[in-house]
Amino acid sequence: EVQLLESGGGRVQPGGSLRLSCATSGFPFNTYTMTWVRQTPGKGLESISTIGGSGSGTHYADSVRGRFTISRDNSEKTVFLQMNSLRPEDTAVYYCVRARGTLVGRLIVTRLDHWGQGVLVTVSP
Amino acid sequence: DIQMTQSPSSLPASVGDRVTITCRASQSIDSHLNWYQQKPGKAPKLLIYASSTLESGVPSRFRGTGSGTDFTLTISGLQPEDYATYYCQQSYSALKYTFGQGTKLEIK
Repeated sequence: EVQLLESGGGRVQPGGSLRLSCATSGFPFNTYTMTWVRQTPGKGLESISTIGGSGSGTHYADSVRGRFTISRDNSEKTVFLQMNSLRPEDTAVYYCVRARGTLVGRLIVTRLDHWGQGVLVTVSP
Repeated sequence: DIQMTQSPSSLPASVGDRVTITCRASQSIDSHLNWYQQKPGKAPKLLIYASSTLESGVPSRFRGTGSGTDFTLTISGLQPEDYATYYCQQSYSALKYTFGQGTKLEIK
């Protein structure tokens, strides 16, 4: 059974830092791209950072680039999100998500097929 | 970046209705389009991938169509458990996934 378990959330003051962790099990971790998706209160979904299976390819949304860093430890089957210079607008539930690629016809299509339960990050004085 | 626009933002409907949600991409994304269902306090759940392929375990009343820039999610014979918020998401851009703003399916 695929499991994703986030930890590290909490309340922090503006300008502070937090490190989210996502411990995984039940699948060959090093072959999967992982992404962090956040959801602000009452708002929609935003994929903020993604990392390829080998760790060499990463992407950041403009809203977090330069402040957040994604990394992974394939030996521990864990993905991390280091969040620095936090702002009140970073307040959200953060989900760790597995991205799965599948050949459909002639296309390799990626879908976000397993989500963690989410962890709340609150940035407030 | 590819922008995804969903409509409507809210959709009142009754049990048994057939409902359709649309999603438009700012550029062609071929069939790299997925649909998710989210209930309050829960993580999103994958319903449909590659525009029209049902994820395992998803009831057949859910149907996805479209390619290029225009996509639809249709639910036929709405059930009480289907009241939720639905999101489309593109995966055309490698590692750069973007979501629509969501459609809240509400009881009429």
